[in-house]
Amino acid sequence: DAKTTQPPSMDCAEGRAANLPCNHSTISGNEYVYWYRQIHSQGPQYIIHGLKNNETNEMASLIITEDRKSSTLILPHATLRDTAVYYCIVRVAIGGGATNKLIFGTGTLLAVQP
Amino acid sequence: DTGVSQDPRHKITKRGQNVTFRCDPISEHNRLYWYRQTLGQGPEFLTYFQNEAQLEKSRLLSDRFSAERPKGSFSTLEIQRTEQGDSAMYLCASSLATVNEQFFGPGTRLTVL
Repeated sequence: DAKTTQPPSMDCAEGRAANLPCNHSTISGNEYVYWYRQIHSQGPQYIIHGLKNNETNEMASLIITEDRKSSTLILPHATLRDTAVYYCIVRVAIGGGATNKLIFGTGTLLAVQP
Repeated sequence: DTGVSQDPRHKITKRGQNVTFRCDPISEHNRLYWYRQTLGQGPEFLTYFQNEAQLEKSRLLSDRFSAERPKGSFSTLEIQRTEQGDSAMYLCASSLATVNEQFFGPGTRLTVL
């Protein structure tokens, strides 16, 4: 699985959009970008994933650059409850020779400020 | 609450003792994973089951560690002769075979004195 690089920490004002970057310059053509987050003292929570098109769900939007070497997770209106460590993970999807396991880095600690 | 439960939530033990953790996945999920997380690090993969078959084990899973999923439902992770380096959060996750999302439990925090 490809390695990802994320900033160790970011701040965001409550109510504003939080934009979390991730670099994955060695991503392969069959690898997806996944985002999970981990709120303090809880297990990780799935947020969103995508291959090359931008994706949106009720939690967030995922913007993947055309060359797929980087992506941005966008929380459109951050709240205090969004304070968490956000992990960007690159892996092959189920059915594509997936390894099944998730390989986490150290993630980005997003602190939403009141 | 994701529907994945783990027991106990906290365990304090003395070095050299054996401990066993339990994970109850979401009932229809046939895949079950164990991860370990130390302070300031992301979770690290330990092992993975599809139904009752253990299909992958990390090199992190030394001979002192054993995991089972006897009937393809709940799973147990046993650590024998615990060491201080085993102190960590042990996380369980489950998923369907056809879905990419893994659902994590709240974890069991192990402290070895």
